[in-house]
Amino acid sequence: NAGVMQNPRHLVRRRGQEARLRCSPVKGHSHVYWYRQLPEEGLKFMVYLQKENIIDESGMPKERFSAEFPKEGPSILRIQQVVRGDSAAYFCASSTLQGFTDTQYFGPGTRLTVL
Amino acid sequence: GDSVTQMEGPVTLSEEAFLTINCTYTATGYPSLFWYVQYPGEGLQLLLKATKADDKGSNKGFEATYRKETTSFHLEKGSVQVSDSAVYFCALPTGNQFYFGTGTSLTVIP
Repeated sequence: NAGVMQNPRHLVRRRGQEARLRCSPVKGHSHVYWYRQLPEEGLKFMVYLQKENIIDESGMPKERFSAEFPKEGPSILRIQQVVRGDSAAYFCASSTLQGFTDTQYFGPGTRLTVL
Repeated sequence: GDSVTQMEGPVTLSEEAFLTINCTYTATGYPSLFWYVQYPGEGLQLLLKATKADDKGSNKGFEATYRKETTSFHLEKGSVQVSDSAVYFCALPTGNQFYFGTGTSLTVIP
């Protein structure tokens, strides 16, 4: 039973480039969450998606960041025109039910480094 | 608003020492409470959880009791091992997300 998969595990981008992070939830999970972990900090919620819908993006920066969870395929977190401050670990989690009623299972994360 | 406050680290212990990592919460109502663990270079793994007041979550020798009167969910282990070296996060689900504490880094030395 595969857990949450994220790729790439490590991503290096130069300032101004685009970063695209992928997350495949646990099979059968229809709820996906993205979190960001800045160095020496805890995880901060970014966005909550169900298939083809963004349910809550209250933690998402207003510009340059977008997320999707299409009917087929993985969830994508996209960061346009990356800046050094975007360097962080980005974690995806999935659950069968809405987060607070069920455990969220986390992927190994994508560590983004912006040069 | 809802939040968790977690004991600052880092914590360094000798093998077989007793561990306590403090966590207090502020919340509307009585949410479930969680401890997650992050081993170096990995994502978070659920360590234990408690769903209501006075519940005790336990796993791998770790325990935490949901105490409503002190709004606390302290993590304890009677005898730590080197393999317990990791970062521990207290978490509170609210709305569509988890609020995580800042994490407590634990290093266990032989």
